Amino acid sequence: SQQGEEDPQALSIQEGENATMNCSYKTSINNLQWYRQNSGRGLVHLILIRSNEREKHSGRLRVTLDTSKKSSSLLITASRAADTASYFCATDAKGAQKLVFGQGTRLTINP
Amino acid sequence: DTAVSQTPKYLVTQMGNDKSIKCEQNLGHDTMYWYKQDSKKFLKIMFSYNNKELIINETVPNRFSPKSPDKAHLNLHINSLELGDSAVYFCASSQQADHAEAFFGQGTRLTVV
Repeated sequence: SQQGEEDPQALSIQEGENATMNCSYKTSINNLQWYRQNSGRGLVHLILIRSNEREKHSGRLRVTLDTSKKSSSLLITASRAADTASYFCATDAKGAQKLVFGQGTRLTINP
Repeated sequence: DTAVSQTPKYLVTQMGNDKSIKCEQNLGHDTMYWYKQDSKKFLKIMFSYNNKELIINETVPNRFSPKSPDKAHLNLHINSLELGDSAVYFCASSQQADHAEAFFGQGTRLTVV
């Protein structure tokens, strides 16, 4: 299976702290994407990092990709209560023509 | 304006019934998808259509039949519903089948009783 695995499954931190989530995968990829899902809502795309990139920033988000270890991390800095959501990584495996999602990290930001 | 809209948002039905979920995207995308999210939040692709043609069918039971009348619409019809079909179904679209950013609908929570 090329399913990604995310770690931790759940994370609870205080507002203002940084949150780090990790994703591991099994096959060669074209790109890796991170999505956010608020409770009862659809997924929202956050950031895409290509296989030839090592780091990417978007606002308070920082994503790293290590293709040799087949892993990625998502860092949310200066967390806010509104960041409370589930975060999913998704891999676009070479030749697969589909996104494969991990099971997500449930992030809770405590005020 | 909603980019990817799916209806209904909630669907409660009895076992054995046939139901449909509709999806429309106004983004001009060529590719549309159906995903199923189970109770453990695991999200799995079911179907992928590119320009109205089926390109992915992920070993989904024949009771599930997608239909794409045009590239802006991808509907999902389910026959003979079973308890195990209860889940949240998401429609999504992307510019091309190479999976650039995907845009998701709000989901349809299907409950089979």
